[in-house]
Amino acid sequence: ILNVEQSPQSLHVQEGDSTNFTCSFPSSNFYALHWYRWETAKSPEALFVMTLNGDEKKKGRISATLNTKEGYSYLYIKGSQPEDSATYLCAFPSGGYQKVTFGTGTKLQVIP
Amino acid sequence: DADVTQTPRNRITKTGKRIMLECSQTKGHDRMYWYRQDPGLGLRLIYYSFDVKDINKGEISDGYSVSRQAQAKFSLSLESAIPNQTALYFCATSDPDSQETQYFGPGTRLLVL
Repeated sequence: ILNVEQSPQSLHVQEGDSTNFTCSFPSSNFYALHWYRWETAKSPEALFVMTLNGDEKKKGRISATLNTKEGYSYLYIKGSQPEDSATYLCAFPSGGYQKVTFGTGTKLQVIP
Repeated sequence: DADVTQTPRNRITKTGKRIMLECSQTKGHDRMYWYRQDPGLGLRLIYYSFDVKDINKGEISDGYSVSRQAQAKFSLSLESAIPNQTALYFCATSDPDSQETQYFGPGTRLLVL
């Protein structure tokens, strides 16, 4: 079982604050790193797929960076809004058939 | 219409009963997965199937079985349900053209009494 770790486990921020959290993964045999957003009572939806060391992806106020050599990715949210409240999951496809291992997620709550 | 559907959405059953959770997809993906979600443990893989003839155990397959009836259908069975199988179950497909990005169904909430 691969070790895909996310920190912090949960986070409360005020509306308008910027925040970031971390996903760490095995640095050997890297294939890709996914970020998903999971709102309460819904199912996870893909945010970013990252494949290259140094990749930076952006969607609105949310961005992510990737360091494959040291095995980590950061997700940043600029100017958090209440609708950003969700659990953010990272996932790591690996092995010959690229089976996906999920981290336990960071639960973000944005307080109005 | 949703690309990945699951039935039922909620189910209450008793210890020892056999139940089946069904998943259908219209995305045309060969790869399908069953996960369970427990608070604090994230998503854990039960079984996965890379095509109709290829079925593999995930990290927590004990007590479960699956059937891949067609490219579009992948069902999960609990042969004799027990209370610690109470969880939220997700079916997913993946797209090899986007590095196995997962597309999830809406989930089935199962309570075993």
